[in-house]
Amino acid sequence: DTGVSQDPRHKITKRGQNVTFRCDPISEHNRLYWYRQTLGQGPEFLTYFQNEAQLEKSRLLSDRFSAERPKGSFSTLEIQRTEQGDSAMYLCASSLGREGAFFGQGTRLTVV
Amino acid sequence: DAKTTQPPSMDCAEGRAANLPCNHSTISGNEYVYWYRQIHSQGPQYIIHGLKNNETNEMASLIITEDRKSSTLILPHATLRDTAVYYCIVRVAGGTGANSKLTFGKGITLSVRP
Repeated sequence: DTGVSQDPRHKITKRGQNVTFRCDPISEHNRLYWYRQTLGQGPEFLTYFQNEAQLEKSRLLSDRFSAERPKGSFSTLEIQRTEQGDSAMYLCASSLGREGAFFGQGTRLTVV
Repeated sequence: DAKTTQPPSMDCAEGRAANLPCNHSTISGNEYVYWYRQIHSQGPQYIIHGLKNNETNEMASLIITEDRKSSTLILPHATLRDTAVYYCIVRVAGGTGANSKLTFGKGITLSVRP
């Protein structure tokens, strides 16, 4: 499968714990995006990388959130001190130039 | 990015064409129209995009009006598996920074009935 891969697919964590998600984009895609989606809503933009540079961060991305893409390939999204409001689907997408972005299947986070 | 307006829902019969409308009256000259769909519990799936000419691929056709203020996504022979939320998005293709991201609305829920 050469699509966008996300790991894990599901994560249940206790409030206050830290979690980290991984995204492997389509090979050679230089752009990588993270989105968050809650029930009944469309995906909301969180942050965007071009190669290893993080070029934009949404106001939704509080100080507890951090994303990295150290070598311009895979990316990680970490949430520190999770809160129940962080429960959502976290989606990763990648793109190259003018074509549309391609999304992974997402990581569903449940904070209990 | 320019905003889009879609009706909240529509349905169609299996085997018939599904025509999904989208209004984007404030679209800029360098913004493309993209369509995605999202089947329950899956990530959004890219369908098609276009600038001003009509486009067709193996999934759908995209018809953009001459003034580019609206478009229609056509699924020529809808199946039950096409039941999903369909998002119409305008975006500067190949843009950087704020112009690069896709901004999703609530989309239109298409229900295909047997």
